[in-house]
Amino acid sequence: NAGVTQTPKFRVLKTGQSMTLLCAQDMNHEYMYWYRQDPGMGLRLIHYSVGEGTTAKGEVPDGYNVSRLKKQNFLLGLESAAPSQTSVYFCASKQPNQPQHFGDGTRLSIL
Amino acid sequence: DAKTTQPPSMDCAEGRAANLPCNHSTISGNEYVYWYRQIHSQGPQYIIHGLKNNETNEMASLIITEDRKSSTLILPHATLRDTAVYYCIVRVPPPGGATNKLIFGTGTLLAVQP
Repeated sequence: NAGVTQTPKFRVLKTGQSMTLLCAQDMNHEYMYWYRQDPGMGLRLIHYSVGEGTTAKGEVPDGYNVSRLKKQNFLLGLESAAPSQTSVYFCASKQPNQPQHFGDGTRLSIL
Repeated sequence: DAKTTQPPSMDCAEGRAANLPCNHSTISGNEYVYWYRQIHSQGPQYIIHGLKNNETNEMASLIITEDRKSSTLILPHATLRDTAVYYCIVRVPPPGGATNKLIFGTGTLLAVQP
């Protein structure tokens, strides 16, 4: 049982490039989340989804887009990467009224 | 939204109980208290949660005061592998019934000493 898997684990981008982070869960969870974590700070919610085909904005959505075309996958896109988006990105999933399960993160550096 | 306050760091001797405090004085009646931890370079790990009563599981105990304005996470026999940042989180009620988002603060860095 893999749980929550994030791909890739590490990536370096140049300013202006685009990329997509993939989150996959095999627990049939309804809800999925994307967070970012910066040095010395807690996690901040970027976007979340309450089901296949739905997405909603979190605390810090600007500069990111998301899609949930399949229940098990939640994609986070950066259309034009900026150095301020250098961070560790965490994905999580859960069932209603249950705790969130987190992946091990994607470390993204933008030069 | 209810806010939590935690000390930035604590030390604990290996084998002793670690007691991590959290203040959440603006908590509302239907909000749960959740505890997560994050070991270096890993994703957050769920520990325990509660509403009013004290809770215990295989990892820890959660003590919530009667007025619910504060709580304490207890690790009964801390080991070196318990060194991590511990987050106390109050679950935010969903606007429009969407979902219950977690808002993470900066947490408490627990350092278990040999």
